Amino acid sequence: DAKTTQPPSMDCAEGRAANLPCNHSTISGNEYVYWYRQIHSQGPQYIIHGLKNNETNEMASLIITEDRKSSTLILPHATLRDTAVYYCIVDSSYKLIFGSGTRLLVRP
Amino acid sequence: GAGVSQTPSNKVTEKGKYVELRCDPISGHTALYWYRQSLGQGPEFLIYFQGTGAADDSGLPNDRFFAVRPEGSVSTLKIQRTERGDSAVYLCASSPGWGTGEAFFGQGTRLTVV
Repeated sequence: DAKTTQPPSMDCAEGRAANLPCNHSTISGNEYVYWYRQIHSQGPQYIIHGLKNNETNEMASLIITEDRKSSTLILPHATLRDTAVYYCIVDSSYKLIFGSGTRLLVRP
Repeated sequence: GAGVSQTPSNKVTEKGKYVELRCDPISGHTALYWYRQSLGQGPEFLIYFQGTGAADDSGLPNDRFFAVRPEGSVSTLKIQRTERGDSAVYLCASSPGWGTGEAFFGQGTRLTVV
């Protein structure tokens, strides 16, 4: 499985955009990029996924570089409830392999 | 709601005892996963079911761990001769099918072995 590298922690101000980076330099052509988050004491929650093109849904936007070696998850207007651990995962099959993620703290 | 349900939410057991953890997936989801999460770590894959069969059990740490899904819906994770190192949150997830991207996780069962 391809591995991902994420900063261990980040913070941003409430109402501002949160941009969470992920490096996946060994990603192969058929592997998707997934983002999940885990709010304290809850199970992980799916956010978004993509293969090559940028994706947007009601929760976030996913920007994937042209060479697919990195991506950025964007929360356009972060709220206090977005404080969580964010996991970037690359996968081509059924098995989501979680790393340590990025702990995002949204400050009031 | 119709989410993934895990019972019990908390389980305290003595070292050496046997425990069963139950997962009720979302109705109609054919894929079911078990993960284990220790404090401060990301979830660790244990086993994956597609229907009734275990398609991949490569994450089960040893033969004390076993999981079943006899009718392709509810799954039970069974741990024999529990050890203190088995203490963790056990997470279950389900998805509609193979490689569909979005997996839905339950709230987990916190297992404490004393």
